[in-house]
Amino acid sequence: RKEVEQDPGPFNVPEGATVAFNCTYSNSASQSFFWYRQDCRKEPKLLMSVYSSGNEDGRFTAQLNRASQYISLLIRDSKLSDSATYLCVVNPDKNDMRFGAGTRLTVKP
Amino acid sequence: GAGVSQSPRYKVAKRGQDVALRCDPISGHVSLFWYQQALGQGPEFLTYFQNEAQLDKSGLPSDRFFAERPEGSVSTLKIQRTQQEDSAVYLCASSSVPQGTEETQYFGPGTRLLVL
Repeated sequence: RKEVEQDPGPFNVPEGATVAFNCTYSNSASQSFFWYRQDCRKEPKLLMSVYSSGNEDGRFTAQLNRASQYISLLIRDSKLSDSATYLCVVNPDKNDMRFGAGTRLTVKP
Repeated sequence: GAGVSQSPRYKVAKRGQDVALRCDPISGHVSLFWYQQALGQGPEFLTYFQNEAQLDKSGLPSDRFFAERPEGSVSTLKIQRTQQEDSAVYLCASSSVPQGTEETQYFGPGTRLLVL
């Protein structure tokens, strides 16, 4: 079983839709959690950190459920520019980050 | 400002050839990471440096892979006797503090390696 698992998608949604991604992780000692965004043939870029209390950044909301070991990302009022691969990232208690394989989102007009 | 840079951006190697991939982190960044990203997969951790010290190399897939950061800034990932399964994008990332804290990693554009 992979340490970080995501539904690969693709998710194809119309503009303005709300879409949610989930991610599960296996290492219960994991300390930090992030969502990264990766555009085609580009490097990953931090979208947002995920805090225990949940956090929101504009149209994006991230939540963490430590008991069930999953992380979610909600995108409201999706835009064409949101089309990308969204990578769930978990930082276990050591010097590396574990990436999920990513969930591909395509927002269509 | 200058971000993380990597060179070459693309590398085609014949099987058995040695390759060297370079990473220039953001100036002053303490931590430097190497990742391997296969097509359709997320980045897989290879190794981590804090300044010049290689603190974790648990992700290096074989002894053909070697990384160094002798002066605590530029890093080189060397792959000896390349194999076709080494074909991937090799990403370098840096961050301003030692890992284990909530600190963003900034990624370079990657080096696309194709082994024929």
